[in-house]
Amino acid sequence: AQTVTQSQPEMSVQEAETVTLSCTYDTSESDYYLFWYKQPPSRQMILVIRQEAYKQQNATENRFSVNFQKAAKSFSLKISDSQLGDAAMYFCAYRSPRRDDKIIFGKGTRLHILP
Amino acid sequence: DSGVTQTPKHLITATGQRVTLRCSPRSGDLSVYWYQQSLDQGLQFLIQYYNGEERAKGNILERFSAQQFPDLHSELNLSSLELGDSALYFCASSVLSTDNEQFFGPGTRLTVL
Repeated sequence: AQTVTQSQPEMSVQEAETVTLSCTYDTSESDYYLFWYKQPPSRQMILVIRQEAYKQQNATENRFSVNFQKAAKSFSLKISDSQLGDAAMYFCAYRSPRRDDKIIFGKGTRLHILP
Repeated sequence: DSGVTQTPKHLITATGQRVTLRCSPRSGDLSVYWYQQSLDQGLQFLIQYYNGEERAKGNILERFSAQQFPDLHSELNLSSLELGDSALYFCASSVLSTDNEQFFGPGTRLTVL
């Protein structure tokens, strides 16, 4: 069964600095999808970025980028120029391309932004 | 705003009771997913419906059931409630059952006293 592990329960970063959140996953499949979701205090789940495993190029969305290392089964999220609004829980998630498969979430990393 | 609506926003009830959570997917989305998020935990997948039919089942207790109606809204029924059922329940939707992006509703916070 697939698993997603986030080894950092909490992290802090100074405003305007860069921070990297770690995620590792375990799967026997060669094709899959990976996601980072943000959950601010409002509890809304917001998709930050996604990566298709068959794509070698790392995904980027404005200040958010990923470092996808397929062989190492690692999928880290880098947030550049951190802003106060980035404070939230961040969840790494995995989905198989098989039909009707669910998203598997890690336990999350709580990110604090220090002014 | 994702376009997915969930009611009620908050629900407080007692042990042994039964509640129904409602979800309306985004316009045009046929697939609905239910997730449970216990305190400061990741989301656990409960169940998925596609166009009225059950498509996938996760760690859903026998005391829980769901359905998707012809107008595509979905309801999650929780019965014989226990203290441990207190959680945030999310509904998500997507156009197809194989879509990679699921759009999440704001959640229903259930408190069982």
